Amino acid sequence: GAGVSQSPSNKVTEKGKDVELRCDPISGHTALYWYRQSLGQGLEFLIYFQGNSAPDKSGLPSDRFSAERTGGSVSTLTIQRTQQEDSAVYLCASSSHAPLNYGYTFGSGTRLTVV
Amino acid sequence: SQKIEQNSEALNIQEGKTATLTCNYTNYSPAYLQWYRQDPGRGPVFLLLIRENEKEKRKERLKVTFDTTLKQSLFHITASQPADSATYLCALGSYAGNNRKLIWGLGTSLAVNP
Repeated sequence: GAGVSQSPSNKVTEKGKDVELRCDPISGHTALYWYRQSLGQGLEFLIYFQGNSAPDKSGLPSDRFSAERTGGSVSTLTIQRTQQEDSAVYLCASSSHAPLNYGYTFGSGTRLTVV
Repeated sequence: SQKIEQNSEALNIQEGKTATLTCNYTNYSPAYLQWYRQDPGRGPVFLLLIRENEKEKRKERLKVTFDTTLKQSLFHITASQPADSATYLCALGSYAGNNRKLIWGLGTSLAVNP
């Protein structure tokens, strides 16, 4: 597609439920990132996928968070047993192999609210 | 720990004036610095990148400076327009080790009044 697509755009869930967030990156972009943005906090790195390499999961805040990227394209971020502190905007970004000249291209995010 | 500070207060300027936003950092030696624009309900949009060996970079009405001695970047928008109203984020990165995780500032909100 022309840009990074994320779905759903908004998600309200009850505490304790599992949620899945989807990211469809720009075709041909080998790198995919998940970030989290909370009010009053900067973007928080969660996980990074690059081609067929093992993902960098160092930013995942707990073992309730996991992500996968199938076929080097679409990625799904899963949060199990959601807690209220998980409420945030989850942003996905993709980049070509050399993002330094072109930066990251972000989707519009999924706003997650845990009630 | 690594820290990035941007103007915490919103910046209000008159249309046609130059807006100047500041990004200061500590305990870090970035190899490059990126500036993004973010509108409400949208993801950040990449604007400019400047490397540590570059003093200044320009793109249309935008100008970025990078002073590694002062540990500061300045972002200028000349001849500002109401459409420039948004939040502007700076992000720092390094080539060493894991260069995939940018460190982000909280952003500065800019309002350009007609």
